Amino acid sequence: GENVEQHPSTLSVQEGDSAVIKCTYSDSASNYFPWYKQELGKRPQLIIDIRSNVGEKKDQRIAVTLNKTAKHFSLHITETQPEDSAVYFCAASIPGNQFYFGTGTSLTVIP
Amino acid sequence: EPEVTQTPSHQVTQMGQEVILRCVPISNHLYFYWYRQILGQKVEFLVSFYNNEISEKSEIFDDQFSVERPDGSNFTLKIRSTKLEDSAMYFCASTVEYAEAFFGQGTRLTVV
Repeated sequence: GENVEQHPSTLSVQEGDSAVIKCTYSDSASNYFPWYKQELGKRPQLIIDIRSNVGEKKDQRIAVTLNKTAKHFSLHITETQPEDSAVYFCAASIPGNQFYFGTGTSLTVIP
Repeated sequence: EPEVTQTPSHQVTQMGQEVILRCVPISNHLYFYWYRQILGQKVEFLVSFYNNEISEKSEIFDDQFSVERPDGSNFTLKIRSTKLEDSAMYFCASTVEYAEAFFGQGTRLTVV
């Protein structure tokens, strides 16, 4: 089955700096890659996703890049704010199949 | 905005007892999932359900677990004889194909 690895497990940045979280996956059939943000005690919520026919996608301060050849994808958050502090999970999915989640990155934005 | 709802939000049960966790997926969704998350750890896949049958399950999903969609709207997870290590947050999720999974707010299961 698919194996998703995520790094780093913890990340601290100064407010205003950028944060980058990286994931790799193993199954070349995976073609949908969502990123979820989970605040303490709450459900994971989608913040951005990318499909395999696209190399990059941006939504305001958040961007995701995908390299299908290398089987890795990354989340970039620019101009970080304290409210960006949360656990971020990447995932990979084959259509109709389960979502395989990374181990999570705990992001702390220091004011 | 439609959302996945789960009940109860918190369940405390004695070891060995049966529990049923309930979920109402978004009405036009076709794929349903149960995940669990032990405190501070990653979200772990339990089972996926499509077309009224299990499509995939993990090794966590042993004979003590079962799922049902009894009436076309509810999606339930049953644990027959709970163990201490079943204590976790259980998330239900639903999706249409090739799209984001929407998660419920979770049921915190505490086995004592």
